[in-house]
Amino acid sequence: GQQVMQIPQYQHVQEGEDFTTYCNSSTTLSNIQWYKQRPGGHPVFLIQLVKSGEVKKQKRLTFQFGEAKKNSSLHITATQTTDVGTYFCAPGYNQGGKLIFGQGTELSVKP
Amino acid sequence: GAVVSQHPSWVICKSGTSVKIECRSLDFQATTMFWYRQFPKQSLMLMATSNEGSKATYEQGVEKDKFLINHASLTLSTLTVTSAHPEDSSFYICSAWAGANYGYTFGSGTRLTVV
Repeated sequence: GQQVMQIPQYQHVQEGEDFTTYCNSSTTLSNIQWYKQRPGGHPVFLIQLVKSGEVKKQKRLTFQFGEAKKNSSLHITATQTTDVGTYFCAPGYNQGGKLIFGQGTELSVKP
Repeated sequence: GAVVSQHPSWVICKSGTSVKIECRSLDFQATTMFWYRQFPKQSLMLMATSNEGSKATYEQGVEKDKFLINHASLTLSTLTVTSAHPEDSSFYICSAWAGANYGYTFGSGTRLTVV
């Protein structure tokens, strides 16, 4: 199956600093999705990337899909305490097919 | 929006008993639902894919006789943990594909504690 490696596992930042998590695959991905899980909560869909080289923004969040469709990243500009949580990438086999999660990056933000 | 309702939110049961967890898609139909288990500080592990009207597909290493899945309608899937033991204590969560705009929508999860 399509497995991804996500780094770093943990990231502690001061509020206002930037944050980036990376998702890497040894194989070409058809698409990749990003989710956020707050402590004690359930994953919430953030975005889906499908096209090679795609870049999408949601306010302070920037998502990228590599040209080779093997890598993806999530960058948060000027983190806030509300950004705390674990961010997971998940390659989709096909839309509606099973979703396998990466290991996740746990972000903590010190006010 | 796309909502998946999961209950119970938490349950404590005695060793040897069975626990049923329900997931309902409230405003969309889900021919397929996915069941995950998550241990503290770990990622979500896919246990099985629930298919409406047919048998579930289990991931490697997941005991189908222990984790019974039923998907009786387009909006309801259930997971029954049979003869639960303390090592089954975990966070169980379901999800369904709710279309390209919503992605996979997750239930709120069930925290199972077996004593």
